[in-house]
Amino acid sequence: DAKTTQPPSMDCAEGRAANLPCNHSTISGNEYVYWYRQIHSQGPQYIIHGLKNNETNEMASLIITEDRKSSTLILPHATLRDTAVYYCIVGSGGSNYKLTFGKGTLLTVNP
Amino acid sequence: EAGVVQSPRYKIIEKKQPVAFWCNPISGHNTLYWYRQNLGQGPELLIRYENEEAVDDSQLPKDRFSAERLKGVDSTLKIQPAELGDSAVYLCASSPRQGGEKLFFGSGTQLSVL
Repeated sequence: DAKTTQPPSMDCAEGRAANLPCNHSTISGNEYVYWYRQIHSQGPQYIIHGLKNNETNEMASLIITEDRKSSTLILPHATLRDTAVYYCIVGSGGSNYKLTFGKGTLLTVNP
Repeated sequence: EAGVVQSPRYKIIEKKQPVAFWCNPISGHNTLYWYRQNLGQGPELLIRYENEEAVDDSQLPKDRFSAERLKGVDSTLKIQPAELGDSAVYLCASSPRQGGEKLFFGSGTQLSVL
Protein backbone atom coordinates (compact mmCIF):
# COMPACT_ATOMS: atom_id res chain seq x y z
CA ASP A 1 0.00 0.00 0.00
CA ALA A 2 1.12 3.54 -0.66
CA LYS A 3 2.55 5.55 2.23
CA THR A 4 1.11 8.84 3.42
CA THR A 5 2.72 11.91 4.96
CA GLN A 6 0.83 14.13 7.40
CA PRO A 7 1.92 16.96 9.69
CA PRO A 8 2.20 15.72 13.27
CA SER A 9 0.00 18.45 14.69
CA MET A 10 -2.24 21.38 13.76
CA ASP A 11 -4.31 23.96 15.60
CA CYS A 12 -7.64 25.43 14.62
CA ALA A 13 -9.95 28.01 16.17
CA GLU A 14 -13.43 26.87 17.12
CA GLY A 15 -15.96 27.71 14.41
CA ARG A 16 -13.34 28.02 11.70
CA ALA A 17 -12.63 25.52 8.96
CA ALA A 18 -9.96 22.93 9.66
CA ASN A 19 -7.96 21.88 6.59
CA LEU A 20 -5.87 18.76 7.13
CA PRO A 21 -3.36 17.94 4.38
CA CYS A 22 -2.06 14.56 3.32
CA ASN A 23 0.57 13.61 0.77
CA HIS A 24 0.37 10.25 -0.98
CA SER A 25 2.63 10.64 -3.98
CA THR A 26 3.01 6.88 -4.58
CA ILE A 27 -0.71 6.13 -4.72
CA SER A 28 -1.66 3.69 -7.44
CA GLY A 29 -4.64 3.90 -9.75
CA ASN A 30 -6.91 1.54 -7.84
CA GLU A 31 -6.17 2.85 -4.35
CA TYR A 32 -8.59 4.91 -2.34
CA VAL A 33 -7.91 7.68 0.16
CA TYR A 34 -9.54 7.06 3.54
CA TRP A 35 -9.80 9.35 6.54
CA TYR A 36 -10.41 8.21 10.07
CA ARG A 37 -10.12 10.04 13.35
CA GLN A 38 -9.48 8.91 16.89
CA ILE A 39 -10.70 10.86 19.86
CA HIS A 40 -8.80 10.25 23.08
CA SER A 41 -9.55 6.86 24.69
CA GLN A 42 -11.82 5.80 21.85
CA GLY A 43 -11.37 3.60 18.80
CA PRO A 44 -10.88 5.19 15.37
CA GLN A 45 -13.98 6.50 13.61
CA TYR A 46 -14.53 6.48 9.86
CA ILE A 47 -14.94 9.94 8.33
CA ILE A 48 -14.88 9.73 4.56
CA HIS A 49 -13.14 8.13 1.59
CA GLY A 50 -12.68 8.79 -2.12
CA LEU A 51 -10.98 7.61 -5.28
CA LYS A 52 -10.74 10.53 -7.70
CA ASN A 53 -13.62 12.88 -7.19
CA ASN A 54 -14.17 15.21 -4.30
CA GLU A 55 -16.50 13.83 -1.69
CA THR A 56 -18.71 15.38 0.96
CA ASN A 57 -20.77 13.93 3.77
CA GLU A 58 -22.29 15.14 7.00
CA MET A 59 -18.93 15.11 8.74
CA ALA A 60 -16.43 16.52 6.27
CA SER A 61 -15.32 17.17 2.71
CA LEU A 62 -12.47 15.42 0.94
CA ILE A 63 -10.59 17.23 -1.80
CA ILE A 64 -8.27 15.07 -3.93
CA THR A 65 -5.88 16.75 -6.36
CA GLU A 66 -6.17 15.91 -10.03
CA ASP A 67 -2.91 13.92 -10.00
CA ARG A 68 -4.14 12.17 -6.82
CA LYS A 69 -0.82 12.74 -5.10
CA SER A 70 -2.32 14.69 -2.25
CA SER A 71 -5.62 15.36 -0.54
CA THR A 72 -7.17 17.66 2.04
CA LEU A 73 -9.78 16.83 4.64
CA ILE A 74 -11.96 19.81 5.46
CA LEU A 75 -14.01 20.16 8.63
CA PRO A 76 -16.11 23.22 7.71
CA HIS A 77 -16.91 24.46 11.23
CA ALA A 78 -14.61 22.87 13.76
CA THR A 79 -15.86 22.35 17.31
CA LEU A 80 -14.00 21.39 20.48
CA ARG A 81 -15.27 17.83 20.00
CA ASP A 82 -13.32 17.61 16.75
CA THR A 83 -10.05 17.56 18.71
CA ALA A 84 -8.59 14.20 17.74
CA VAL A 85 -5.85 12.40 15.80
CA TYR A 86 -6.75 12.32 12.11
CA TYR A 87 -5.42 9.48 9.99
CA CYS A 88 -5.05 9.64 6.22
CA ILE A 89 -4.78 6.14 4.78
CA VAL A 90 -4.33 4.86 1.28
CA GLY A 91 -5.43 1.37 0.41
CA SER A 92 -7.25 -0.85 -2.00
CA GLY A 93 -10.89 -1.65 -1.52
CA GLY A 94 -12.77 -4.83 -2.25
CA SER A 95 -12.00 -8.23 -0.78
CA ASN A 96 -8.36 -7.33 -0.12
CA TYR A 97 -9.29 -4.26 1.81
CA LYS A 98 -6.66 -3.42 4.42
CA LEU A 99 -6.10 -0.30 6.47
CA THR A 100 -2.53 0.60 7.40
CA PHE A 101 -2.48 3.46 9.88
CA GLY A 102 0.37 5.94 10.25
CA LYS A 103 0.83 8.35 13.14
CA GLY A 104 -1.74 10.83 11.88
CA THR A 105 -2.22 14.52 12.65
CA LEU A 106 -3.24 15.68 16.09
CA LEU A 107 -5.79 18.42 15.49
CA THR A 108 -6.42 20.65 18.48
CA VAL A 109 -9.45 22.91 18.26
CA ASN A 110 -9.06 25.90 20.55
CA PRO A 111 -11.91 27.98 22.04
CA GLU B 1 -27.92 -0.18 16.99
CA ALA B 2 -25.20 -1.34 19.35
CA GLY B 3 -21.64 -0.74 18.29
CA VAL B 4 -18.65 -3.04 18.58
CA VAL B 5 -18.40 -4.22 22.17
CA GLN B 6 -15.09 -5.15 23.74
CA SER B 7 -14.25 -6.41 27.19
CA PRO B 8 -12.57 -5.93 29.49
CA ARG B 9 -11.92 -2.22 29.15
CA TYR B 10 -8.73 -2.44 31.18
CA LYS B 11 -6.51 -5.35 32.16
CA ILE B 12 -3.40 -5.40 34.33
CA ILE B 13 -1.37 -8.59 34.54
CA GLU B 14 2.12 -9.69 35.43
CA LYS B 15 4.47 -10.88 32.72
CA LYS B 16 4.26 -14.54 31.77
CA GLN B 17 0.56 -14.64 32.67
CA PRO B 18 -2.08 -15.42 30.05
CA VAL B 19 -4.71 -12.86 29.02
CA ALA B 20 -7.75 -12.89 26.77
CA PHE B 21 -9.78 -10.17 25.10
CA TRP B 22 -13.32 -10.54 23.83
CA CYS B 23 -15.08 -8.78 20.98
CA ASN B 24 -18.71 -8.76 19.88
CA PRO B 25 -19.00 -7.13 16.45
CA ILE B 26 -21.98 -5.27 15.04
CA SER B 27 -24.75 -7.69 14.14
CA GLY B 28 -24.53 -8.81 10.53
CA HIS B 29 -20.94 -7.68 9.99
CA ASN B 30 -19.05 -10.56 8.43
CA THR B 31 -15.54 -9.06 8.62
CA LEU B 32 -13.78 -8.72 11.96
CA TYR B 33 -10.38 -7.20 12.68
CA TRP B 34 -8.03 -7.15 15.64
CA TYR B 35 -5.62 -4.24 15.84
CA ARG B 36 -2.92 -3.38 18.38
CA GLN B 37 -2.09 0.25 19.16
CA ASN B 38 1.09 1.21 20.96
CA LEU B 39 1.31 4.55 22.73
CA GLY B 40 1.69 7.40 20.26
CA GLN B 41 1.33 5.16 17.24
CA GLY B 42 -1.46 4.30 14.85
CA PRO B 43 -3.22 0.93 15.12
CA GLU B 44 -1.51 -2.09 13.53
CA LEU B 45 -3.49 -4.96 12.07
CA LEU B 46 -3.00 -8.29 13.80
CA ILE B 47 -5.62 -10.46 12.12
CA ARG B 48 -8.64 -10.19 9.85
CA TYR B 49 -11.54 -12.64 9.69
CA GLU B 50 -14.08 -13.17 6.93
CA ASN B 51 -16.85 -14.95 8.81
CA GLU B 52 -15.00 -17.66 10.77
CA GLU B 53 -11.98 -17.82 8.46
CA ALA B 54 -8.76 -15.96 9.27
CA VAL B 55 -7.87 -14.47 5.86
CA ASP B 56 -4.93 -12.32 6.97
CA ASP B 57 -2.91 -13.25 10.04
CA SER B 58 0.51 -12.36 8.67
CA GLN B 59 1.10 -9.78 11.42
CA LEU B 60 0.00 -11.99 14.30
CA PRO B 61 2.94 -13.19 16.47
CA LYS B 62 1.92 -16.79 16.41
CA ASP B 63 4.33 -17.99 19.06
CA ARG B 64 2.30 -16.34 21.81
CA PHE B 65 -0.83 -14.88 20.20
CA SER B 66 -3.89 -16.81 19.11
CA ALA B 67 -7.35 -15.81 17.97
CA GLU B 68 -10.61 -17.47 17.18
CA ARG B 69 -13.97 -16.48 15.85
CA LEU B 70 -16.45 -19.19 16.60
CA LYS B 71 -19.57 -19.34 14.41
CA GLY B 72 -18.41 -16.21 12.64
CA VAL B 73 -19.69 -13.84 15.32
CA ASP B 74 -17.80 -13.16 18.55
CA SER B 75 -14.03 -13.31 18.66
CA THR B 76 -11.38 -13.86 21.30
CA LEU B 77 -7.75 -12.79 21.15
CA LYS B 78 -5.36 -14.50 23.55
CA ILE B 79 -1.78 -13.89 24.61
CA GLN B 80 0.12 -16.61 26.41
CA PRO B 81 2.50 -15.85 27.97
CA ALA B 82 2.35 -12.06 28.05
CA GLU B 83 5.54 -10.01 27.81
CA LEU B 84 6.25 -6.45 28.91
CA GLY B 85 6.22 -5.31 25.28
CA ASP B 86 2.65 -6.47 24.85
CA SER B 87 1.38 -3.48 26.82
CA ALA B 88 -0.88 -1.67 24.36
CA VAL B 89 -4.50 -1.03 23.45
CA TYR B 90 -6.11 -3.93 21.60
CA LEU B 91 -8.84 -2.78 19.25
CA CYS B 92 -11.52 -4.82 17.57
CA ALA B 93 -13.35 -3.61 14.47
CA SER B 94 -15.99 -4.97 12.16
CA SER B 95 -17.32 -4.09 8.74
CA PRO B 96 -20.28 -5.16 6.64
CA ARG B 97 -20.16 -7.13 3.41
CA GLN B 98 -21.49 -4.10 1.54
CA GLY B 99 -19.53 -0.95 2.29
CA GLY B 100 -16.67 -2.92 3.76
CA GLU B 101 -14.36 0.04 3.49
CA LYS B 102 -16.04 1.55 6.53
CA LEU B 103 -14.70 -0.07 9.68
CA PHE B 104 -16.46 0.31 13.01
CA PHE B 105 -14.13 0.15 15.99
CA GLY B 106 -14.75 -0.71 19.61
CA SER B 107 -13.24 1.32 22.43
CA GLY B 108 -10.48 -1.21 22.93
CA THR B 109 -8.90 -3.07 25.83
CA GLN B 110 -5.97 -1.33 27.46
CA LEU B 111 -3.46 -3.97 28.56
CA SER B 112 -0.70 -3.26 31.05
CA VAL B 113 1.90 -5.97 31.60
CA LEU B 114 3.96 -5.46 34.76
